[in-house]
Amino acid sequence: KAGVTQTPRYLIKTRGQQVTLSCSPISGHRSVSWYQQTPGQGLQFLFEYFSETQRNKGNFPGRFSGRQFSNSRSEMNVSTLELGDSALYLCASREGASGNTIYFGEGSWLTVV
Amino acid sequence: AQTVTQSQPEMSVQEAETVTLSCTYDTSESNYYLFWYKQPPSRQMILVIRQEAYKQQNATENRFSVNFQKAAKSFSLKISDSQLGDTAMYFCAFPLGSGGSNYKLTFGKGTLLTVNP
Repeated sequence: KAGVTQTPRYLIKTRGQQVTLSCSPISGHRSVSWYQQTPGQGLQFLFEYFSETQRNKGNFPGRFSGRQFSNSRSEMNVSTLELGDSALYLCASREGASGNTIYFGEGSWLTVV
Repeated sequence: AQTVTQSQPEMSVQEAETVTLSCTYDTSESNYYLFWYKQPPSRQMILVIRQEAYKQQNATENRFSVNFQKAAKSFSLKISDSQLGDTAMYFCAFPLGSGGSNYKLTFGKGTLLTVNP
C-alpha cells in the first residue's frame, strides 16, 4: 500500500507570492492533517480535514488555508508569503474520524526568499 | 495544557549497543495513545512504535521497545543493537483528543540520536 504522497517536494517562492501544496493520503484513509516544522517552533499542527470538512485548526493566520477533495486528496495554500513561512510542511493521514495512528508523508520544503 | 518533554537534545551510541531516549508528558486524560516517530536526514516522519495507555504491557517492535510508566507519565524508547540507520531525530508525540474530531499530535522538541560505527 502506498504511503502518504506529497508534491512538490521542494520549492522556492518570493515573498508576497502564494503557494499550493498537495497531499494524497494512504489509500482508504479519509482524514488528512497538515503540520509545519521549523527550527524555532518545532512541529506545529495546522489543520485537519475529514470528508471534505475542516475538523480542527491550529493557531495560524488566515493566510494558511486548505481543502480536501472527494477522493480524500488535500491541498494547503499559503497566500502572501512571508520569510517566516519557510519550513517543512508535513502532510499526514489516518484512517478516519476514529483512527488513532497518524502516518506522515515525506514533506514539502518551502523556501521563501 | 498538555505537554510533551524530551529532556535529552542529543545522544550518541556505539553501533550494536543499547540506548534509551526519555519522554515525559502531562495529561488529565485516562485513555490515550503515545507515539515515537523518527525523522532521518531525509526528513520523512516515520512511525517507530505506539503504546495504548490502557494496556499494561509495554509495546515492542523488533529492536524498539518502550518503558511506559502511566502513573509517572513517562514513555521512554529503548533501541537495542543500534544500527547506523537508526541515526535520526526522534520525537515523542502525544495526541490531543481521543481519535475524534479534535485529534492532533503534540510533539516534544526531539532527541538527535547519532549512532557511531
